[in-house]
Amino acid sequence: GDSVTQMEGPVTLSEEAFLTINCTYTATGYPSLFWYVQYPGEGLQLLLKATKADDKGSNKGFEATYRKETTSFHLEKGSVQVSDSAVYFCALSPPPGRNQGGKLIFGQGTELSVKP
Amino acid sequence: DVKVTQSSRYLVKRTGEKVFLECVQDMDHENMFWYRQDPGLGLRLIYFSYDVKMKEKGDIPEGYSVSREKKERFSLILESASTNQTSMYLCASRPPGTGNTIYFGEGSWLTVV
Repeated sequence: GDSVTQMEGPVTLSEEAFLTINCTYTATGYPSLFWYVQYPGEGLQLLLKATKADDKGSNKGFEATYRKETTSFHLEKGSVQVSDSAVYFCALSPPPGRNQGGKLIFGQGTELSVKP
Repeated sequence: DVKVTQSSRYLVKRTGEKVFLECVQDMDHENMFWYRQDPGLGLRLIYFSYDVKMKEKGDIPEGYSVSREKKERFSLILESASTNQTSMYLCASRPPGTGNTIYFGEGSWLTVV
């Protein structure tokens, strides 16, 4: 079945460091791919998405590129801030025809802690 | 802005109690979801609904039921709460035409003692 695998956390970085959180997926066809972020005590917020191969999603300095050949959607940011400390979830939505209801399948989440 | 509201942020219930978790969205969305979040396991889909009175089982429906009597409200029911249902519960909804983007409520922390 469809699945998402993320790198394990927690990830601890110093402010202004470069961030990569790896995400790979298994799916038939061309799913849509998402990154959600969860700040402490809150629900999940959409960070960025990509709906077809080679698309790049970006938001708030974060970006991720949909790589069909490597089935990956790695999250990157050039210079992290303390305020980026959160849990990051990679997710996929199976393509139409296999996804009644539009559900998402999530990875296990990666906790990021940024120190001043 | 999309608004998904979960009525209770923090609940403590006793084993065997019946528990209702309520979720309301104000944007006339057809699709609504209940997920459960546990450390190291990410989010797992319990149930979803794509229309009033329609429901489908997700990946972990055992021990749960749902109700969708009105389009804006999707309730998760624990018929007889157990300690292994202590978790964070997240409701979400999907507006039409958003490429399967779904929007989450703030979550309900349930502790079963």
